[in-house]
Amino acid sequence: DAGVIQSPRHEVTEMGQEVTLRCKPISGHNSLFWYRQTMMRGLELLIYFNNNVPIDDSGMPEDRFSAKMPNASFSTLKIQPSEPRDSAVYFCASSSPDRGPYEQYFGPGTRLTVT
Amino acid sequence: GENVEQHPSTLSVQEGDSAVIKCTYSDSASNYFPWYKQELGKGPQLIIDIRSNVGEKKDQRIAVTLNKTAKHFSLHITETQPEDSAVYFCAASTGGGTYKYIFGTGTRLKVLA
Repeated sequence: DAGVIQSPRHEVTEMGQEVTLRCKPISGHNSLFWYRQTMMRGLELLIYFNNNVPIDDSGMPEDRFSAKMPNASFSTLKIQPSEPRDSAVYFCASSSPDRGPYEQYFGPGTRLTVT
Repeated sequence: GENVEQHPSTLSVQEGDSAVIKCTYSDSASNYFPWYKQELGKGPQLIIDIRSNVGEKKDQRIAVTLNKTAKHFSLHITETQPEDSAVYFCAASTGGGTYKYIFGTGTRLKVLA
């Protein structure tokens, strides 16, 4: 079975540019999570969706960040405008109601560098 | 707020020895405790989990124990192998009917051949 798919795997952009990260959850999973990982702050939950609806976005750092899930097989995390402090690895994870909503399976991540 | 503390931050063991990583959580409503292994350049991989109605769970060389009274849970790896070298994260679910985790800060395990 295909796991969580994220694209791009690496992104280098200049400060002020718009960045869009993409995620395809595991087929049949109905919850999707976006995380950010840095050395300083570890793994932080940014937002999560259940059945395509945002449930908790309390971790989204500021208005420059937005996330959407237009359908069950696709989600985006957008940063506009990007800043150097947004440099991090961004992970998407998904979980299934059948295996228990707590069991989250992570994608390979997108390493974002903002110069 | 909710917090998960994880110790040690780094751990070196000789191949074949055991490794133990400990976590403490603060939210008494937490009822699910997963452990993840993260290898360099990869996403975290779920390796074992335990729910609050169970005190211990084992899967081959990996075991997890939970003490709800003390709010402690631990990962035990026996007969360590070089491929066990990675960063390990514990996590605890949050209460309030959500499916969120709070992650620990990670333990870098090195298994020396």
